[in-house]
Amino acid sequence: DGGITQSPKYLFRKEGQNVTLSCEQNLNHDAMYWYRQDPGQGLRLIYYSQIVNDFQKGDIAEGYSVSREKKESFPLTVTSAQKNPTAFYLCASTADQGPYIRGYGYTFGSGTRLTVV
Amino acid sequence: GENVEQHPSTLSVQEGDSAVIKCTYSDSASNYFPWYKQELGKRPQLIIDIRSNVGEKKDQRIAVTLNKTAKHFSLHITETQPEDSAVYFCAANEGYSTLTFGKGTMLLVSP
Repeated sequence: DGGITQSPKYLFRKEGQNVTLSCEQNLNHDAMYWYRQDPGQGLRLIYYSQIVNDFQKGDIAEGYSVSREKKESFPLTVTSAQKNPTAFYLCASTADQGPYIRGYGYTFGSGTRLTVV
Repeated sequence: GENVEQHPSTLSVQEGDSAVIKCTYSDSASNYFPWYKQELGKRPQLIIDIRSNVGEKKDQRIAVTLNKTAKHFSLHITETQPEDSAVYFCAANEGYSTLTFGKGTMLLVSP
């Protein structure tokens, strides 16, 4: 399914709870990304990783954490410190260490819709 | 960092008309500009992109133009069809690593 699998498709979080969103790719891509999508806000970058065991904060990293222990996996944890986590979360990947080098752009996963209950 | 502005936020056209979506960017070092289409409930998909060494690129009914001096680029869709209805995002690279996206344009094509 496009080479990137996100799970679950829907996730409900209680107040004060940490939840983890899964992102797995079989494209042998080096770089992986997490974006948050809110209505009218476009896509905002949370974290990204260009190589295993290394990652960088994006524009809205507060309240989130990631790990990159394997090339194919880049899970995102939404912590209780994230005060407004209800959103659609998109994982993406690209060959090389960024989208510009060969102009491949991103391949996106199908997303996880997180709702606070 | 890079800032990408996109207009309009919504666009309604009749089937067969043309549609134009415009974006501006702030970082003069940006040189890769992709466009993504996101249908309702689905993932964004790359539809066309342009690099700064060209001014225009076409692919059937869609085209993208780039004006590096003015720091703006546009998506042109001709002979629109109902299946073109979606949210369209422009983006610009920020260095080698990431893309910065506009806020999106919801295009509605009425039969």
